[in-house]
Amino acid sequence: GAGVSQSPSNKVTEKGKDVELRCDPISGHTALYWYRQSLGQGLEFLIYFQGNSAPDKSGLPSDRFSAERTGGSVSTLTIQRTQQEDSAVYLCASSSYDRGNNGYTFGSGTRLTVV
Amino acid sequence: GESVGLHLPTLSVQEGDNSIINCAYSNSASDYFIWYKQESGKGPQFIIDIRSNMDKRQGQRVTVLLNKTVKHLSLQIAATQPGDSAVYFCAEKLGNNDMRFGAGTRLTVKP
Repeated sequence: GAGVSQSPSNKVTEKGKDVELRCDPISGHTALYWYRQSLGQGLEFLIYFQGNSAPDKSGLPSDRFSAERTGGSVSTLTIQRTQQEDSAVYLCASSSYDRGNNGYTFGSGTRLTVV
Repeated sequence: GESVGLHLPTLSVQEGDNSIINCAYSNSASDYFIWYKQESGKGPQFIIDIRSNMDKRQGQRVTVLLNKTVKHLSLQIAATQPGDSAVYFCAEKLGNNDMRFGAGTRLTVKP
């Protein structure tokens, strides 16, 4: 597609349930990022995928969080046993490795609410 | 740890005035900086970028200034318009590492 697509746009889940958030990056972009944005806050880095390299998982806040990227394209962020503090907007961005600069394009995010 | 931060969380300006949004960064090795604009309910949108070998870069109505001596970044918006109302984030990047963002400044343009 023309942009980064995230789904669902909104997700309400009960505490303790698992959720999966999906990101479709721009075709051909080798780099993919996940960020978390709490209400009125900045963007917290979660995980970074670059081509076939091992992902940088240094931002994942706990072992309940995991992400994968299949075939170098679509990525899924999974949160297990969700907690109320997981409520936030989860943003995905992709970029072209060769450019690495203004190639960063963000999706509109998934707003996760844990009740 | 090193981080990117902003001096002011909110800024209110009159329509037509110039706006200046500031950002302090602490990682002196960062070599690339970007300003993003985020409107309500949307993801951040690229505005302008600058590399560490430059101290000024101009776009359409926007200028980014980089002062590496004091590790300070600013975004200047000329003739601010109501459509400029948003949260503005600065971000820094080192090489091919991930991008780190500041907390953001909310700009409100008064008619």
